[in-house]
Amino acid sequence: RKEVEQDPGPFNVPEGATVAFNCTYSNSASQSFFWYRQDCRKEPKLLMSVYSSGNEDGRFTAQLNRASQYISLLIRDSKLSDSATYLCVVNLNAGNMLTFGGGTRLMVKP
Amino acid sequence: ETGVTQTPRHLVMGMTNKKSLKCEQHLGHNAMYWYKQSAKKPLELMFVYSLEERVENNSVPSRFSPECPNSSHLFLHLHTLQPEDSALYLCASSQEIGGRTYNEQFFGPGTRLTVL
Repeated sequence: RKEVEQDPGPFNVPEGATVAFNCTYSNSASQSFFWYRQDCRKEPKLLMSVYSSGNEDGRFTAQLNRASQYISLLIRDSKLSDSATYLCVVNLNAGNMLTFGGGTRLMVKP
Repeated sequence: ETGVTQTPRHLVMGMTNKKSLKCEQHLGHNAMYWYKQSAKKPLELMFVYSLEERVENNSVPSRFSPECPNSSHLFLHLHTLQPEDSALYLCASSQEIGGRTYNEQFFGPGTRLTVL
């Protein structure tokens, strides 16, 4: 089993749609969770951290389910500019190493 | 300059060459990282430096040699690389608290390396 696993996609959605991605992680003791966004041929950039109670930032909502060991990202009212690869990132063990999932590719079409 | 910078942005080298990648962070962070990103594979952590000491060497071949002269600069020295080492090499920095990553890592733009 991969330590951090994501559906690679691509998810092809029309503008205005709502889309959700899940990510599973292997270590139940993991403490820190993040969603990063990576545009083609660019570096990853933090989209949002994921807090235990769930959190929202505009059109983006992140949730954590510790019992099932997954995090999710919900994007409402998709924009063309949301097209990118979304990386699930977990601090699996105590320390300063982050483990990246393989990414989920989103393509928003007009 | 702001954020994390990397030079060069593109590098083509032969298998017998020696080259170095440079990373500089202007964020006052105390930890720096090298990652490798190959096509269709997740980011792979190569090295971690915390307070200028290497705290992680993630089973990386010895043809990659990191150097961290101070908390703002990180180098990756390359020698006798193989074609399969062609990839995007990303540098990142973060502020560690008690030796743990709580906050985001900021990435540089990367060096796209091609080994012929």
